[in-house]
Amino acid sequence: GAVVSQHPSWVICKSGTSVKIECRSLDFQATTMFWYRQFPKQSLMLMATSNEGSKATYEQGVEKDKFLINHASLTLSTLTVTSAHPEDSSFYICSARDIVGSGYTFGSGTRLTVV
Amino acid sequence: GNSVTQMEGPVTLSEEAFLTINCTYTATGYPSLFWYVQYPGEGLQLLLKATKADDKGSNKGFEATYRKETTSFHLEKGSVQVSDSAVYFCALNRDDKIIFGKGTRLHILP
Repeated sequence: GAVVSQHPSWVICKSGTSVKIECRSLDFQATTMFWYRQFPKQSLMLMATSNEGSKATYEQGVEKDKFLINHASLTLSTLTVTSAHPEDSSFYICSARDIVGSGYTFGSGTRLTVV
Repeated sequence: GNSVTQMEGPVTLSEEAFLTINCTYTATGYPSLFWYVQYPGEGLQLLLKATKADDKGSNKGFEATYRKETTSFHLEKGSVQVSDSAVYFCALNRDDKIIFGKGTRLHILP
């Protein structure tokens, strides 16, 4: 079945530094990828939608200059948390939709801790 | 707007008990409906889905029926196992986005 690899699975960084999270579709082409954020014991909140080769569409309230999304190929999207602060600590999950739009596959998530 | 409401957790049951997790939705048109499961420390896995009214999704002993008249998609399982302990999310797909409920944490006691 469809597999999405998300890396790293966890990362600890210092406040003020930037962190890049990768999301790869391993055995299918993903025209659209989604990035979610999950706070402890809460639901997943959609941050942005990225389409291959075009700019990401951010949800209301999400700072696009802070959460940089790049979707340069049909199998890779990256989320960069710039100038991270402790309040950015969260669980980030990506999701990919295949080229025929038949389903959504989720990555295993990245737990970011900013100290 | 589009939204999903599911019962608050945590839900604690003994092994082999019957499980129901309620989920209702608000949406324009006819969204697809999903149940996702998140095991500790892992990402989300699709558990089951239904794409139109009266469809029944099923997987691993879990079932849910798309009820248009009550805008519901309740998750059920006849006999739960300890390995079913996880967080369960009800979700809908509308306008190319998946909207999740807040999740219900399920604890199964041996």
